[in-house]
Amino acid sequence: EIVLTQSPATLSLSPGERATLSCRASQSVSNYLAWYQQKPGQAPRLLIYDASNRATGIPARFSGSGSGTDFTLTISSLEPEDFAIYYCQQRTDSQALTFGGGTKVEIK
Amino acid sequence: EVQLLESGGGLVQPGGSLRLSCAASGFTFSNYAMSWVRQAPGKGLEWVSAMTDTGASTYYADSVKGRFTISRDGSKNTLYLQMNSLRTEDTAVYYCAKAPSSSSIRRFDHWGQGTLVTVSS
Repeated sequence: EIVLTQSPATLSLSPGERATLSCRASQSVSNYLAWYQQKPGQAPRLLIYDASNRATGIPARFSGSGSGTDFTLTISSLEPEDFAIYYCQQRTDSQALTFGGGTKVEIK
Repeated sequence: EVQLLESGGGLVQPGGSLRLSCAASGFTFSNYAMSWVRQAPGKGLEWVSAMTDTGASTYYADSVKGRFTISRDGSKNTLYLQMNSLRTEDTAVYYCAKAPSSSSIRRFDHWGQGTLVTVSS
């Protein structure tokens, strides 16, 4: 099973600041990496797929990069509604689908 | 508008059974792979099971293999999860999720609001 390790566990930032979230895979997942946002009491929402493609309706301040084992989600300028938990997720053809442990972006 | 509505959650004793349902609307259900993902209280997301559009292929996490069965009914636009031999560690909110393709289950573009399963004596 491919393990996804997200860092940091918590990111304390102010609105308007840049957020950089990391996701590292225990083996290569090519570019089959997605990012989700989850707010309290809500279902997750797809933000980024195939490492760098924004999902429908996702604002341009969200961007993804990386391939192989190292991936990054960047929020260029945090809006109040962006404070949430972010998960990365992978599935390659022969492996089980797995999620990372999450990064909480909180207001500083 | 895509809608996924889960039901069937509740309180069950260890060793018991429960069947979850996910009623889908707003898209051609029979054309898309579907999945279940769960989230224990205060914890992260854990993938549980998935099924391709026709049901020809099913996949399970090791933690539920042999105990849970995923199925779908195209005539009712409904996804199911039959859960047997439930354990306390199965306590979680169970989400139904839609994949954006028929057979490649690499991500989920729509999610339901979830149904809570509590396994406790």
